[in-house]
Amino acid sequence: AQSVTQPDIHITVSEGASLELRCNYSYGATPYLFWYVQSPGQGLQLLLKYFSGDTLVQGIKGFEAEFKRSQSSFNLRKPSVHWSDAAEYFCAVGARNNQGGKLIFGQGTELSVKP
Amino acid sequence: DVKVTQSSRYLVKRTGEKVFLECVQDMDHENMFWYRQDPGLGLRLIYFSYDVKMKEKGDIPEGYSVSREKKERFSLILESASTNQTSMYLCASGRGLATSYEQYFGPGTRLTVT
Repeated sequence: AQSVTQPDIHITVSEGASLELRCNYSYGATPYLFWYVQSPGQGLQLLLKYFSGDTLVQGIKGFEAEFKRSQSSFNLRKPSVHWSDAAEYFCAVGARNNQGGKLIFGQGTELSVKP
Repeated sequence: DVKVTQSSRYLVKRTGEKVFLECVQDMDHENMFWYRQDPGLGLRLIYFSYDVKMKEKGDIPEGYSVSREKKERFSLILESASTNQTSMYLCASGRGLATSYEQYFGPGTRLTVT
């Protein structure tokens, strides 16, 4: 069965510092991979996605993520964090060719940004 | 822009009441989903639908039912609300193509059952 693990429940970084949020998945083949962000009181917004091809994908708001097959990971990175990046981040995976396009979400990582 | 709207942002209901949560999307998406979100548990899928009048159970369907009579509308029904159903409920929609699984989310409904 598919599963997604985000090992860090809460991370605090200083504004301007770099950021890496971890995501590990369990799946027999290469799944579709996503990162979503949820600002307080809001729904989820798609940051970026990986389907195939280049393993380094660029997203909105200056985020990028790298798919590493050997490590079953899809970590999210940003070189310089802004105060407005404080939010909750969710990694999600989807099995290819599954009817209905179901996704499995991780538990989420809450990001706090220190001034 | 894809828009997914949910009928209420906040809702307070009493134990035993029948509760309807409505979701409407304007992008002609085939797939629609209902999740509940609880601290530390992430998003858990309650039900999804990949076509009108079609529905599939997700991971936590107990105590819930759904209805999809029109493509753009997907309703979540709590037949007899209980306090353990107090949660944030998120609706999402997505295309039915094999190469496009991204989901678009509504703002959520925070339901409190007292």
